[in-house]
Amino acid sequence: QKEVEQDPGPLSVPEGAIVSLNCTYSNSAFQYFMWYRQYSRKGPELLMYTYSSGNKEDGRFTAQVDKSSKYISLFIRDSQPSDSATYLCAMKESTGTASKLTFGTGTRLQVTL
Amino acid sequence: GAVVSQHPSWVICKSGTSVKIECRSLDFQATTMFWYRQFPKQSLMLMATSNEGSKATYEQGVEKDKFLINHASLTLSTLTVTSAHPEDSSFYICSALGRGEEAFFGQGTRLTVV
Repeated sequence: QKEVEQDPGPLSVPEGAIVSLNCTYSNSAFQYFMWYRQYSRKGPELLMYTYSSGNKEDGRFTAQVDKSSKYISLFIRDSQPSDSATYLCAMKESTGTASKLTFGTGTRLQVTL
Repeated sequence: GAVVSQHPSWVICKSGTSVKIECRSLDFQATTMFWYRQFPKQSLMLMATSNEGSKATYEQGVEKDKFLINHASLTLSTLTVTSAHPEDSSFYICSALGRGEEAFFGQGTRLTVV
């Protein structure tokens, strides 16, 4: 079993839809959670960074963490064609120089006109 | 967010030659940088952790003599692929830890060995 599970998609939604992206994990030591957006042939771009359980909102993006269920989500409201990309969840156990990230496989999102 | 610049964005080299990739944190100091490799439609695979002023820590299965990492300053880490072969062709990405411990990534380097 992988430490982090993420549905690879592809996920296709119409413009304006609410998108829900999810990851589950098995390592209860994970404390820090991130969502990245990666366009084709580009490096990942940090979208959200959370520590505690609960919700964090930034513009059209909301990150949700449920540590008791080992489940994290990213919601995108009013999705746009420019949101079409691969979304990677990532998490780590600690801070400092030992803080290696563990990534999900990424979900490919396509927002259609 | 913080800016990490990676250069070159793409490179083609002949088999047997060496290629150097640079990763710079432009607006912050990064004591720790990470190097990843990514195959098409797959997630990032950590190759090594680079700490300023000390030897890099390589992940299991990564040849340290083939992938030379140097982190000589707080804003620059380099990855040199030595004696490159076609199987080394891949997308290489660096990241640096920001002040808040979040990881910022470079734009990536697409290496093609012919």
